[in-house]
Amino acid sequence: NAGVTQTPKFRVLKTGQSMTLLCAQDMNHEYMYWYRQDPGMGLRLIHYSVGEGTTAKGEVPDGYNVSRLKKQNFLLGLESAAPSQTSVYFCASSRIGTGRTDTQYFGPGTRLTVL
Amino acid sequence: AQKITQTQPGMFVQEKEAVTLDCTYDTSDPSYGLFWYKQPSSGEMIFLIYQGSYDQQNATEGRYSLNFQKARKSANLVISASQLGDSAMYFCAMSAAGAGSYQLTFGKGTKLSVIP
Repeated sequence: NAGVTQTPKFRVLKTGQSMTLLCAQDMNHEYMYWYRQDPGMGLRLIHYSVGEGTTAKGEVPDGYNVSRLKKQNFLLGLESAAPSQTSVYFCASSRIGTGRTDTQYFGPGTRLTVL
Repeated sequence: AQKITQTQPGMFVQEKEAVTLDCTYDTSDPSYGLFWYKQPSSGEMIFLIYQGSYDQQNATEGRYSLNFQKARKSANLVISASQLGDSAMYFCAMSAAGAGSYQLTFGKGTKLSVIP
């Protein structure tokens, strides 16, 4: 039982390049989330999904796209990376959305640098 | 909209002493949940404790307890008998029923340093 895993752990991009971050969970959770964490700030929600085939925008969605083709996977794409997207990206999953039994569990994070 | 405020950027505590990390929140939803997460220097986010807005008693999880004062909209984390391994960033977060209830709103965090 690996919980939530993220690939890759580190990545350096040049401005304008594209990439996809992969999140996988083996807990059969319905909800999945992508957050970004910048220095001196808490986590901010980028996009989330309430089930296979669904996605929705969070607080800071601009410049990102997501897909949830399989229940266990949630992909975060950057089509044209910008230096402002340099951040640590966290994926999380939960059974439902709120409440003690629906706690969000996080992956280890991906550190992305855009030059 | 929900808001979480953590007013202590950094805290120091002596090993084996207790420490309180402050968290205040703002929401108009009557049903909400409050969470604390720990982020050690290795970077992962570790769930510590949860308090529901309708829970009558303060939540406890081992050495962690949550001092929930609903009227004051505060949800302070108390760590008893601090250990060196408690040195980390601590984030308070809130989820609320209603539109956008699937997301957590985080505070900016408090960096706790435990002194031997």
